[in-house]
Amino acid sequence: GQSLEQPSEVTAVEGAIVQINCTYQTSGFYGLSWYQQHDGGAPTFLSYNALDGLEETGRFSSFLSRSDSYGYLLLQELQMKDSASYFCAGKAAGNKLTFGGGTRVLVKP
Amino acid sequence: GAVVSQHPSRVICKSGTSVKIECRSLDFQATTMFWYRQFPKQSLMLMATSNEGSKATYEQGVEKDKFLINHASLTLSTLTVTSAHPEDSSFYICSARKTSGSVHEQFFGPGTRLTVL
Repeated sequence: GQSLEQPSEVTAVEGAIVQINCTYQTSGFYGLSWYQQHDGGAPTFLSYNALDGLEETGRFSSFLSRSDSYGYLLLQELQMKDSASYFCAGKAAGNKLTFGGGTRVLVKP
Repeated sequence: GAVVSQHPSRVICKSGTSVKIECRSLDFQATTMFWYRQFPKQSLMLMATSNEGSKATYEQGVEKDKFLINHASLTLSTLTVTSAHPEDSSFYICSARKTSGSVHEQFFGPGTRLTVL
């Protein structure tokens, strides 16, 4: 099976940096992806790490260490619009995604 | 672009009735679509994988006779909640994967909020 653990909530101020960790247990692993979801909205794809290392996309970066079964999403120069839920997701057998519980990020002025 | 639409966005129905939700990929073809259910402030729970031209694959614990899925074309999948009950009230979200794309990059619809009275 596959399960992904991430913190339930993080609060930070504008301009700060937030790191959202995701640890996973899986019997077959094919990479880690990240999604953002604003309240009442659709999840949107942020990034995908197939291999170990850091992937940078603007203010957001994602990291993966397969040996540690661990990844993180780094949000830099936080803005109010970054207040949302962030989900890590792993590919399970059967070519489908399993999502973590989600981390609610609250950005304060 | 990769836009996915869902219709309706919100529906209220009486207990015992059936509700159909449509999921369309507007500007790309999607061999595979996924149906998720999401409770407030919780994660996305995969209900089933919808494959064009074949039967859907349901996750453990999801009743296939209650949640009917049809994927008749490369741009349309439908989810019908049959004989709905109040416990079926939830946010239902579909997603689509481009035929040539990775399952990691899914494009989600805006969701349908179902309320069963």
